[in-house]
Amino acid sequence: ETGVTQSPTHLIKTRGQQVTLRCSSQSGHNTVSWYQQALGQGPQFIFQYYREEENGRGNFPPRFSGLQFPNYSSELNVNALELDDSALYLCASSLEAGGGETQYFGPGTRLLVL
Amino acid sequence: GENVEQHPSTLSVQEGDSAVIKCTYSDSASNYFPWYKQELGKRPQLIIDIRSNVGEKKDQRIAVTLNKTAKHFSLHITETQPEDSAVYFCAATHNFNKFYFGSGTKLNVKP
Repeated sequence: ETGVTQSPTHLIKTRGQQVTLRCSSQSGHNTVSWYQQALGQGPQFIFQYYREEENGRGNFPPRFSGLQFPNYSSELNVNALELDDSALYLCASSLEAGGGETQYFGPGTRLLVL
Repeated sequence: GENVEQHPSTLSVQEGDSAVIKCTYSDSASNYFPWYKQELGKRPQLIIDIRSNVGEKKDQRIAVTLNKTAKHFSLHITETQPEDSAVYFCAATHNFNKFYFGSGTKLNVKP
């Protein structure tokens, strides 16, 4: 198992609400990427944070936002939740953005929007 | 952006047989291709990867081949075991920033 942790493990929200998901990167890793994995699909890249700055973004609307803290942990915030936001949210950490090192996934947060 | 397609979506093999999963990618700049195994309710776990300067890589029963000209790469599992049953994802990236994933292959190894 990797050292990447996520909280909470499960979450139920209603449409229109806001949610914050958290990720602690593996020790020594300064880069965190977030993915959305809908049921039966592959993970889709949301964005990446490197040394507290956004370092690339996928095709997700602005209501998906993030933060990275000085200890390299990260948050994913989703505003105005929609039913289609129901998915497994995965974070992955890597040693150094663009440094040629692979990423390691956390266990995910399963979000259900009713 | 990059587009990764993965086939087949489901694969059923008898224990001991080989399994092959194929992926194609669209961006010729992609230079790193990992494969992940995801068991039900668990995180994707890296099982093998290959970089664009190598054509083949092997790790015990698992191997990956890469054809840069045709822009496709494949996962080969030999002597399959029931514990190999899982969903397998391929991915591609050219800058270790955005990883683009295939849609997954559900492998079922029948005892």
